[in-house]
Amino acid sequence: DAGVTQSPTHLIKTRGQHVTLRCSPISGHKSVSWYQQVLGQGPQFIFQYYEKEERGRGNFPDRFSARQFPNYSSELNVNALLLGDSALYLCASTVGRGLISDTQYFGPGTRLTVL
Amino acid sequence: GESVGLHLPTLSVQEGDNSIINCAYSNSASDYFIWYKQESGKGPQFIIDIRSNMDKRQGQRVTVLLNKTVKHLSLQIAATQPGDSAVYFCAENITLYAGGTSYGKLTFGQGTILTVHP
Repeated sequence: DAGVTQSPTHLIKTRGQHVTLRCSPISGHKSVSWYQQVLGQGPQFIFQYYEKEERGRGNFPDRFSARQFPNYSSELNVNALLLGDSALYLCASTVGRGLISDTQYFGPGTRLTVL
Repeated sequence: GESVGLHLPTLSVQEGDNSIINCAYSNSASDYFIWYKQESGKGPQFIIDIRSNMDKRQGQRVTVLLNKTVKHLSLQIAATQPGDSAVYFCAENITLYAGGTSYGKLTFGQGTILTVHP
């Protein structure tokens, strides 16, 4: 069975540009959460989407947005890129809304470098 | 603010030894805890989890202990192998409420680098 997939694997952008990252959850999973992992730190929660609606949001600016499609795949969009946005962006999928014992399974991530 | 932290940023062991990785958490409302293993260039991989109403859970070669009194979590790896070398994160899951619905949010610690020498 396929796990969580993400594309692209690596991406290089310049300041001010826009980026779109993609995620496909495990088959049967209805929720996708996005995390940002800066080098040397643990992942930080950005949002969760469940049944195509944003259910929760972390402490990230409005430059970060996302959406979830009817097939439960998701896109993360970041506008007006800053150097500090350079990170590994991780997608995690869960069956439901990631409540107690609803394990979040992570994809391999997209490495974004902003120059 | 809410945080999950690790006592030891690095741990170096010999193959065959037992490893213990520690984690402190600060949010007493956390209801579920997970250990993840992250190898270089990969996403976090689920190892084992434990609910807040338990104090111990065992898996294959791994055991997680939870002490809610002192808000401490540990991961024990038996007979550590070179393939266990990775960064290990503890994460606490808390149920949050927004817009009339609930969702689970993971908060991760900084991570411990485990190096296993043959």
